[in-house]
Amino acid sequence: GQNIDQPTEMTATEGAIVQINCTYQTSGFNGLFWYQQHAGEAPTFLSYNVLDGLEEKGRFSSFLSRSKGYSYLLLKELQMKDSASYLCAVRDNTGRRALTFGSGTRLQVQP
Amino acid sequence: GAVVSQHPSWVICKSGTSVKIECRSLDFQATTMFWYRQFPKQSLMLMATSNEGSKATYEQGVEKDKFLINHASLTLSTLTVTSAHPEDSSFYICSAQGRVDTEAFFGQGTRLTVV
Repeated sequence: GQNIDQPTEMTATEGAIVQINCTYQTSGFNGLFWYQQHAGEAPTFLSYNVLDGLEEKGRFSSFLSRSKGYSYLLLKELQMKDSASYLCAVRDNTGRRALTFGSGTRLQVQP
Repeated sequence: GAVVSQHPSWVICKSGTSVKIECRSLDFQATTMFWYRQFPKQSLMLMATSNEGSKATYEQGVEKDKFLINHASLTLSTLTVTSAHPEDSSFYICSAQGRVDTEAFFGQGTRLTVV
């Protein structure tokens, strides 16, 4: 099975940098995803890591360490519109390719 | 990214009736589609996995006779909530997976309210 942990809530200031951590324990691993979800909307894809290291995409970066079962999402130059839930999800390697989601981190960006 | 269209975006139905939700992949062939449910302030919970042309695989605790899933083509999967009850009120989201593993695309979600 899968067990995914991430902080419930975080608060940060507009223009700042915030790091959202995710730890996971899985019986099999085939990639880690980060999604952004605004209230009442479906998740939107942010990043995908399957190998160790940092993936950068504009203001968003995601890091993975498979040996530590650890990932983080880094958001730079925070904007008010970044206030949302951020979901960490892991795909297993059973072949069905479904994602198991963490509980999500609600980020509040303040002026 | 690829586009997944889910319809309807919201629906209100009476207790005891059935509701069908459609999930279409518009510009790619979805070999696998997933159906998730999300209750307020909770994360997405996988309900079932469907592969085109075969029976869906349901997660433990999900009633297959209540949540009927059909994946008749590579671009369409449907979820029918049968004999809906107020406790079935939730946000239902589909996800489509193509042959490449790097992304999983979500539909817009359907908010179901059973009164």
